[in-house]
Amino acid sequence: AQTVTQSQPEMSVQEAETVTLSCTYDTSESDYYLFWYKQPPSRQMILVIRQEAYKQQNATENRFSVNFQKAAKSFSLKISDSQLGDAAMYFCAFYDYGGATNKLIFGTGTLLAVQP
Amino acid sequence: DSGVTQTPKHLITATGQRVTLRCSPRSGDLSVYWYQQSLDQGLQFLIQYYNGEERAKGNILERFSAQQFPDLHSELNLSSLELGDSALYFCASSPGGRATEAFFGQGTRLTVV
Repeated sequence: AQTVTQSQPEMSVQEAETVTLSCTYDTSESDYYLFWYKQPPSRQMILVIRQEAYKQQNATENRFSVNFQKAAKSFSLKISDSQLGDAAMYFCAFYDYGGATNKLIFGTGTLLAVQP
Repeated sequence: DSGVTQTPKHLITATGQRVTLRCSPRSGDLSVYWYQQSLDQGLQFLIQYYNGEERAKGNILERFSAQQFPDLHSELNLSSLELGDSALYFCASSPGGRATEAFFGQGTRLTVV
C-alpha cells in the first residue's frame, strides 16, 4: 500500500527566509502524481504545487518549488522569501494514476510558523 | 476561492442523529470526492462520485452514504452519529474521473455532542 510520510510535525522560519518541508512516500508504481496542499487557519485546503512522476523537471509556482527525487521517493517543498501568509499546515499527498482506488493519500502534515 | 461550495460550514448535533452535508462542485467538474479530517486519523478518503455514479470507495462507514445528483451536486449523509464522527468533512471536485487536479471546498465542521 502507498504511504506518505512527513517527518517534521512543526517547522519555523523567519520572514523573507527560505524553508524546506520534507516528504517521503512509498509506492511500487511508476506513474503517479505528488502534491503539496496548504491548510491555513481558515481550514481551506489549497493546492500549492503538483508534480507528475514522469516529468524529470521540478515543478515551480512563484515562490514555491519542489525537489523531486524519484529514486529516493522524496518530494520536498521549498518556500522562498517566506511571508506571514505562508503560515499554515502543509500536507504532502500522493495520487496513483493507474490505480483503482483513485484517491489522494495524505501525509500527517507539517505546521509551518513564520516569524516576523 | 476554489469554486467548490460546501454547506453548512458548521453543524452541531447530538449522538444518534442524522445529518446531511452538501457539496456543489466547480462548474464543469464531473467528479466529487468526500474526505474526513479528524485529529487522530488525519485526512481520509471516503468516497468518489463521477457523473452521478459511484467511482471509488474508501474508508466509509456503513452508517454513512453519499450520492451525486443530475446537477452534479453531492450529499453526504451521516446517520446514527457517534462522538467519534466529529470531524471536518471536505468535498473536492475534479474535471474528470481522476484526482490529478482536485480542488477542495472549505469543509463542514461537524461536532457531535
